[in-house]
Amino acid sequence: GQNIDQPTEMTATEGAIVQINCTYQTSGFNGLFWYQQHAGEAPTFLSYNVLDGLEEKGRFSSFLSRSKGYSYLLLKELQMKDSASYLCAIMDSNYQLIWGAGTKLIIKP
Amino acid sequence: GAVVSQHPSRVICKSGTSVKIECRSLDFQATTMFWYRQFPKQSLMLMATSNEGSKATYEQGVEKDKFLINHASLTLSTLTVTSAHPEDSSFYICSARDPPAGDYNEQFFGPGTRLTVL
Repeated sequence: GQNIDQPTEMTATEGAIVQINCTYQTSGFNGLFWYQQHAGEAPTFLSYNVLDGLEEKGRFSSFLSRSKGYSYLLLKELQMKDSASYLCAIMDSNYQLIWGAGTKLIIKP
Repeated sequence: GAVVSQHPSRVICKSGTSVKIECRSLDFQATTMFWYRQFPKQSLMLMATSNEGSKATYEQGVEKDKFLINHASLTLSTLTVTSAHPEDSSFYICSARDPPAGDYNEQFFGPGTRLTVL
């Protein structure tokens, strides 16, 4: 079967660093995506990993280990506007996105 | 990045009526469009995949006669919720993809449509 796991909710402090983990088991793998979704809005693209390693983009970084079926999204210098849900999604062998349930990130002052 | 629009953004209707939602790719040609549904505090659920000029492929459990999808052009797909009922109330989101499968193909999301059926 297909399974994507990520924590339901995390809390962090403004200015700090937070790491959101995602583990997966899917039928085929054509890349892993991270999306940000604010309440009542559509998801917006953050990152894409298809090879092992770290992809850095400003305050956000995403890491992938295909052998371990594991990824994380690292957010640095947290800002209040980073409060949102973060969705991990795998593109499977049919090039369709399989979505995790999302991690709600709460930023406190 | 590419822009996808959705209309309407919100709709409230009576039970038994039909509602049409439009999804447009504004600055690129979308060979494939996806329709998702999202209930509160849950993740996105893929309803169907539509390719321009062909019939949509529906996910298991999604009634194709209830959720009519038309992808008549490379920039427009429509989802019609027929005979809507309160349990159909949800956040409906479309996304569009331009490159064919086999390439890195980010999905560009529309802003979503909040449907409330009374």
